Amino acid sequence: AQSVAQPEDQVNVAEGNPLTVKCTYSVSGNPYLFWYVQYPNRGLQFLLKYITGDNLVKGSYGFEAEFNKSQTSFHLKKPSALVSDSALYFCAVRDGTSYDKVIFGPGTSLSVIP
Amino acid sequence: DAGITQSPRHKVTETGTPVTLRCHQTENHRYMYWYRQDPGHGLRLIHYSYGVKDTDKGEVSDGYSVSRSKTEDFLLTLESATSSQTSVYFCAISRDPGNEQFFGPGTRLTVL
Repeated sequence: AQSVAQPEDQVNVAEGNPLTVKCTYSVSGNPYLFWYVQYPNRGLQFLLKYITGDNLVKGSYGFEAEFNKSQTSFHLKKPSALVSDSALYFCAVRDGTSYDKVIFGPGTSLSVIP
Repeated sequence: DAGITQSPRHKVTETGTPVTLRCHQTENHRYMYWYRQDPGHGLRLIHYSYGVKDTDKGEVSDGYSVSRSKTEDFLLTLESATSSQTSVYFCAISRDPGNEQFFGPGTRLTVL
């Protein structure tokens, strides 16, 4: 079955510290992976994606993500967290059997503490 | 922001009434999606469209229907609203599933 897991409902990090938001996936074939961010009362915004190539992908607002095929993971990272990074983060993967669809994880709430 | 709007933004209705939500895009993207967002469930796909008059079901399609008569408009209809359909509904667009989706601002629907 195709699925995306975000094992942490909540991540707390101090401002200025590095942050990691975890994502693991299960999908047939080569994965197309995405990260989105949602600020309160807003729609989701695209951050970055991995389709092929370099395992380290750079995206918007200083975020990056590392694709690890052997661990089927796609963790989101940022070297130095800002209070304004506090939001809900979603990992997503294109469905490996029905290419028209994307499967979203349950989301991780990130709080950056001043 | 991508040119995608949703209407209405907020709606309160009663059980058993029909409700139609509208998604409008100005990007000429082929794919359009309707999701619902509920606490603890993330985003769940209701229906999607891969072209004019071409639609298919998502994982939570029961009780919902959609129509797409023009590239720019994708309508979601709740034939007879139930309290379990109280949710925030998001429309999204994409050139193709290998590319990122752009989301509308959402519609908060309350069914009493």
